[in-house]
Amino acid sequence: SQQGEEDPQALSIQEGENATMNCSYKTSINNLQWYRQNSGRGLVHLILIRSNEREKHSGRLRVTLDTSKKSSSLLITASRAADTASYFCATDADGGATNKLIFGTGTLLAVQP
Amino acid sequence: DGGITQSPKYLFRKEGQNVTLSCEQNLNHDAMYWYRQDPGQGLRLIYYSQIVNDFQKGDIAEGYSVSREKKESFPLTVTSAQKNPTAFYLCASNPYRGRVMDQPQHFGDGTRLSIL
Repeated sequence: SQQGEEDPQALSIQEGENATMNCSYKTSINNLQWYRQNSGRGLVHLILIRSNEREKHSGRLRVTLDTSKKSSSLLITASRAADTASYFCATDADGGATNKLIFGTGTLLAVQP
Repeated sequence: DGGITQSPKYLFRKEGQNVTLSCEQNLNHDAMYWYRQDPGQGLRLIYYSQIVNDFQKGDIAEGYSVSREKKESFPLTVTSAQKNPTAFYLCASNPYRGRVMDQPQHFGDGTRLSIL
């Protein structure tokens, strides 16, 4: 079953602009993670936010979590061409009942130089 | 450097053939995972293992098999029963801390499997 769904499916912006991606999920979670995937490569972990946290920063990344709305957002500020990639959210499956993640369908971000 | 190595990078399967994808990690992680990714899609879990000599089916295990004889290795066999094997296969690992999945997963760079 699809736990996380990202919105939008695709996003095209100019270098220097901010990019915002959203993720919605269905069941209770212990934490939510964001990953990045360059074309033809594996996923790279970006940030993990726990269910008792509302906001987290890492460099140019800002993640928010609203457990009442079952949603999260990833903001990339001052984007660069090198940020072009697909971005996925992932949640611990079954509210943490099992040691596995459920991934969303991803947002494809294109940053134009 | 510690990491996950998947091989080969590209693999072609003939009709009726079984093929095995390799995944090796030197991160000393207990848990390992296999995912399938179709074009423009997210990741779907095939199998996962939390400890040597034990593994569990994921959401799309039919037509696949795995083994976990060593902590470092988690090979995936795509059997002839898998009628639509063309996809990008990703292996991942993370430290196993019990039921709560609060550790990032580390990924290999994938194997792209196609049918001849």
